Amino acid sequence: ELKVEQNPLFLSMQEGKNYTIYCNYSTTSDRLYWYRQDPGKSLESLFVLLSNGAVKQEGRLMASLDTKARLSTLHITAAVHDLSATYFCAVYTDKLIFGTGTRLQVFP
Amino acid sequence: SAVISQKPSRDICQRGTSLTIQCQVDSQVTMMFWYRQQPGQSLTLIATANQGSEATYESGFVIDKFPISRPNLTFSTLTVSNMSPEDSSIYLCSAVIAGGPDTQYFGPGTRLTVL
Repeated sequence: ELKVEQNPLFLSMQEGKNYTIYCNYSTTSDRLYWYRQDPGKSLESLFVLLSNGAVKQEGRLMASLDTKARLSTLHITAAVHDLSATYFCAVYTDKLIFGTGTRLQVFP
Repeated sequence: SAVISQKPSRDICQRGTSLTIQCQVDSQVTMMFWYRQQPGQSLTLIATANQGSEATYESGFVIDKFPISRPNLTFSTLTVSNMSPEDSSIYLCSAVIAGGPDTQYFGPGTRLTVL
């Protein structure tokens, strides 16, 4: 059974700081997604990573995929309050399985 | 991207009753799914909604409890039957758009409270 784990589960960080969220998964896959969810809202697609070594960047967020290590990272650069949300990674095999989620809080 | 709408957006129901949630996509769709998200938790896949045939359910979910229909490419319904307080959750519809990027888009969700 595919397991997808994220760490940390909760992250409180100061504005301007950098941090990385990790997503580990237990079976072979070359397709990984990152989503953002604001409180009381649905999920917004951030990144789709489709091959080993894939790197994508949008604003202060950068995602990467290492299929050999079964690891994806979401790096936050110079955090701002607007990035406060819950971030999910999701791994696709024959269906999309979600990670545990990382709740990010950015404070001044 | 695509616009996915769900009705109702929220409901409060009595134990033992049933609720049907509708999902409509504004684009042609290849695949549709239903997920459940309990408060403060991640998303759990309930089933894949197959057009014109029975849905494919994940372990722990059964058709009698969560009947699903998908009469055409862009519309699906999920019924939560014989509800109990444990069914209180957010139910989300998701779709992959035909000819689009390889991404699953999500509807706004239906927040269900069972008393």
